[in-house]
Amino acid sequence: SYVLTQPPSVSVAPGQTARISCGGNNIGSKRVHWYQQKPGQAPVLVVYDDGDRPSGIPERFSGSKSGNTATLTINRVEVGDEADYYCQVWGINSDWVFGGGTKLTV
Amino acid sequence: QVQLVESGGGVVQPGRSLRLSCAASGFTFSNIVMYWVRQAPGKGPEWVAVISSDGVTKYYTDSVKGRFTISRDNSNNTLYLQMNSLRNEDTAVYYCVRGGSRPIDPFDIWGQGTVVSVSS
Repeated sequence: SYVLTQPPSVSVAPGQTARISCGGNNIGSKRVHWYQQKPGQAPVLVVYDDGDRPSGIPERFSGSKSGNTATLTINRVEVGDEADYYCQVWGINSDWVFGGGTKLTV
Repeated sequence: QVQLVESGGGVVQPGRSLRLSCAASGFTFSNIVMYWVRQAPGKGPEWVAVISSDGVTKYYTDSVKGRFTISRDNSNNTLYLQMNSLRNEDTAVYYCVRGGSRPIDPFDIWGQGTVVSVSS
């Protein structure tokens, strides 16, 4: 089945920029979605269709793709952004695939 | 507002059954593809099952095929997951999730989750 690869952890200081990568074969042909999950809470959609933001999500969150990698970028990182982040795509066998997750430490 | 509320979780012995329910409100349930997604302790989310808006088309992740059944009642805005022959590895938080009209659409609304613990 399709595999998405994320770094286990990313650490940034408040006010800096965090970049979380998501690698997958031929990911350029897929729509990538990103979710934020804080401890004890359900995941929340923060970026969809590679780079669009749902209403209510700050403009500090953005998404992009290049080659076989999608990237979630969080500008001017705040302490409240500390969470696990997951990328997700619709896979190749009528399955929906999540990356392994990245723990963002601020 | 848009809301998904799961129920039916609990502690169950291996081999037994459990039925999860999800009450939807705030949107036209009968127009939307719905999913069950689970998350084992300390792990990332895992898609479990999907059902089309009319309830005809269903897909399952390999590990639950033949054991789990997804269904829906559009007249009562409710999604179900019948889980039979439960295994220890089915232990997880189970989320009811709203999709779109296409498989590539994101999971835009998640319920708060219901905990299923399989243990002897």
